Amino acid sequence: DADVTQTPRNRITKTGKRIMLECSQTKGHDRMYWYRQDPGLGLRLIYYSFDVKDINKGEISDGYSVSRQAQAKFSLSLESAIPNQTALYFCATSERTAPGELFFGEGSRLTVL
Amino acid sequence: AQKITQTQPGMFVQEKEAVTLDCTYDTSDQSYGLFWYKQPSSGEMIFLIYQGSYDEQNATEGRYSLNFQKARKSANLVISASQLGDSAMYFCAMSVNNAGNMLTFGGGTRLMVKP
Repeated sequence: DADVTQTPRNRITKTGKRIMLECSQTKGHDRMYWYRQDPGLGLRLIYYSFDVKDINKGEISDGYSVSRQAQAKFSLSLESAIPNQTALYFCATSERTAPGELFFGEGSRLTVL
Repeated sequence: AQKITQTQPGMFVQEKEAVTLDCTYDTSDQSYGLFWYKQPSSGEMIFLIYQGSYDEQNATEGRYSLNFQKARKSANLVISASQLGDSAMYFCAMSVNNAGNMLTFGGGTRLMVKP
């Protein structure tokens, strides 16, 4: 089983719908992240959390919200999805002592029609 | 703000030859880390190699080496003896200690290895 698990792996939805992407990890890491990947733009940080009570906005947080339900769980929500949120979304974790080395989930491909 | 630039959207290399993927970065901080990740067609992100800004020697991991030129702010990835399985997207990334160590990624380079 993967150390960082994302669900769903693929989702097609319509404009205006609420979508939640879930991430769980068994690595015991404190830090968790949500990134989105768009062609030619690499990965951009949406939100990050250093522990259960610490949530921070990243580079592109508008239109997204997150919840850190436990050390092992970090979910990303799109309250009202729009087509330009069509992208590949990655959850990642890192250790406090090696924060730059990320361990990624397998990605969630979201298509908003 | 930190910035990573990868100027090669796509590259070809002949199997068994070496290839260099370019990466330049911009930061005013003195303490930072540079990373390379590989993304095969299956989509997962695989960590390849890390270089700290204070490391005096270039990092190496098997067939991967990082050509770190601090004065030029470049951190090129060198893959020796390319294999067909090296065909993938490659991302350069940077974390800055004074910015919470968030990773900033470049736009990526697609490497295609020809048999």
